Amino acid sequence: SQQGEEDPQALSIQEGENATMNCSYKTSINNLQWYRQNSGRGLVHLILIRSNEREKHSGRLRVTLDTSKKSSSLLITASRAADTASYFCATDGETSGSRLTFGEGTQLTVNP
Amino acid sequence: EAQVTQNPRYLITVTGKKLTVTCSQNMNHEYMSWYRQDPGLGLRQIYYSMNVEVTDKGDVPEGYKVSRKEKRNFPLILESPSPNQTSLYFCASSLFGGSISNYGYTFGSGTRLTVV
Repeated sequence: SQQGEEDPQALSIQEGENATMNCSYKTSINNLQWYRQNSGRGLVHLILIRSNEREKHSGRLRVTLDTSKKSSSLLITASRAADTASYFCATDGETSGSRLTFGEGTQLTVNP
Repeated sequence: EAQVTQNPRYLITVTGKKLTVTCSQNMNHEYMSWYRQDPGLGLRQIYYSMNVEVTDKGDVPEGYKVSRKEKRNFPLILESPSPNQTSLYFCASSLFGGSISNYGYTFGSGTRLTVV
């Protein structure tokens, strides 16, 4: 079953704007991860936030985690055309054993 | 370069003809896993391996087999492929698996399989 659900399904913005994607999940987690996928290519790990963390930064990426609401957000600041990709959240659940459970992703298009 | 290598990149085969998709990682990762990605269904885990000779079923293991005889290799075997196994397949590895891992996954570039 899909644990994470991303919102929106698709997002189109202009270069230089910020992009915010949200993820909701259902069960308790050890950590939540964000991945990026260019069309038909492998997923690339962007950032991992642990269940006891609330915010994490990596370059132009900012991730927040609210375990009380079972939700996370990924903010990409000053977006570039090269950021165009699908973005997935994945949860490592406390009871899911050894598996990451992925949402269906947000398709981000950054227009030059 | 640290990476997960899958082969082949593209494969078209006929129903019932056994095939193997290879996966190799050069990072000394203990954990390896196979996923399939389908439109509208997202990524679903097929099998995973916590270490050599330790494998377990994921969410959609039917019709697939795996083996982990060496740490670096984790082949995916389709004994009798069927058209519903047409999909994009990804191998992934991580330093450790399990609920205390807190490590991200490294993914291969994918294998696009078509079964006719």
